[in-house]
Amino acid sequence: GAGVSQSPSNKVTEKGKDVELRCDPISGHTALYWYRQSLGQGLEFLIYFQGNSAPDKSGLPSDRFSAERTGGSVSTLTIQRTQQEDSAVYLCASSLVGDATSYEQYFGPGTRLTVT
Amino acid sequence: RKEVEQDPGPFNVPEGATVAFNCTYSNSASQSFFWYRQDCRKEPKLLMSVYSSGNEDGRFTAQLNRASQYISLLIRDSKLSDSATYLCVVAQGGKLIFGQGTELSVKP
Repeated sequence: GAGVSQSPSNKVTEKGKDVELRCDPISGHTALYWYRQSLGQGLEFLIYFQGNSAPDKSGLPSDRFSAERTGGSVSTLTIQRTQQEDSAVYLCASSLVGDATSYEQYFGPGTRLTVT
Repeated sequence: RKEVEQDPGPFNVPEGATVAFNCTYSNSASQSFFWYRQDCRKEPKLLMSVYSSGNEDGRFTAQLNRASQYISLLIRDSKLSDSATYLCVVAQGGKLIFGQGTELSVKP
């Protein structure tokens, strides 16, 4: 079946512009996660959704970052007034249930964001 | 201090070698432990879960020491296809905490 999909695969934007990144989870997966991976760094947790609610937003680096999920499916991550330090690969993952201890997370291919 | 720390890489080994990766975590409340594999410019994929009793999957053996907050991964008889970055991962509630990763390069 189809895995997690993300769009766009690459995005180049000018500093100060807003960007929207999209994630389409595996059908039937109730939990959705956003991570980012900067060059040479490990993955950094951003936010997690169970259904449409976000029990854990602790990883969002600033109030320029927001995310929403509608209909328990597609999620968008929005970065306002982008800065060069926002350049990274943004990865989305989904799992059957929002329990990272027990349920495997399946990752999408990521969106590579470059802020010039 | 990072929540999950791994051996710095890269590890360059010949085919057939045995290689070991180590990882420590700082939060004793961590609940589950995993090794993920990430190929260059690809998404991470689960390699194996790690249990206190130790577990083996073919050439791969993972071990957990909760008292020392230490996790290991052993790869025996390395193959060229094992070349990748290996990520030590800890689960805390609804999220995964990733180590920085250790790069492995297996040469002919």
